[in-house]
Amino acid sequence: GEDVEQSLFLSVREGDSSVINCTYTDSSSTYLYWYKQEPGAGLQLLTYIFSNMDMKQDQRLTVLLNKKDKHLSLRIADTQTGDSAIYFCAEIGPNFGNEKLTFGTGTRLTIIP
Amino acid sequence: DTAVSQTPKYLVTQMGNDKSIKCEQNLGHDTMYWYKQDSKKFLKIMFSYNNKELIINETVPNRFSPKSPDKAHLNLHINSLELGDSAVYFCASSLTGTAYEQYFGPGTRLTVT
Repeated sequence: GEDVEQSLFLSVREGDSSVINCTYTDSSSTYLYWYKQEPGAGLQLLTYIFSNMDMKQDQRLTVLLNKKDKHLSLRIADTQTGDSAIYFCAEIGPNFGNEKLTFGTGTRLTIIP
Repeated sequence: DTAVSQTPKYLVTQMGNDKSIKCEQNLGHDTMYWYKQDSKKFLKIMFSYNNKELIINETVPNRFSPKSPDKAHLNLHINSLELGDSAVYFCASSLTGTAYEQYFGPGTRLTVT
């Protein structure tokens, strides 16, 4: 079955860049996502990338996809205290009408002042 | 507000009880989902409904019974609650074929004592 792995913790100094990594096993994944979960809150879709893309940039966020290695990363430039949260990567397969998100374990990002 | 809403936000109950969690979306979506997030923050899909029809039913005990009275609502009824059912339950919705844009509700924290 599908498997999505992430490091559990990441600490970054305010103003530095954060890079959160994710690996997945399903080579038929069509979309890969990054969700953000702030404490006590729901999941917020940050960005997603289609599997035929290598990179997507959206303001401070850059997503890199290495499909050969099944590796996805999220780079947050100029990390701020408001970026403290758990970041989940997720993937979805090609079965339209039967889509389900498979989530990674989540990476807790802590910002050091 | 345009959103996915869930009630209640918190639910504390005793083992053996039966409880329901409600979800409503006013986004005009036709697919709705229930996800469970355990104490380690691991997220996993439980069910999905498309136009009131059950599409995904992961290996969830049959004490859990989803009900979709219409496209905008997906409720989750749980019978004979167990300690292991304690978790945060998230509802989500999307349009058919656009599961890459799943919008999540704020979650319902269920505590079984």
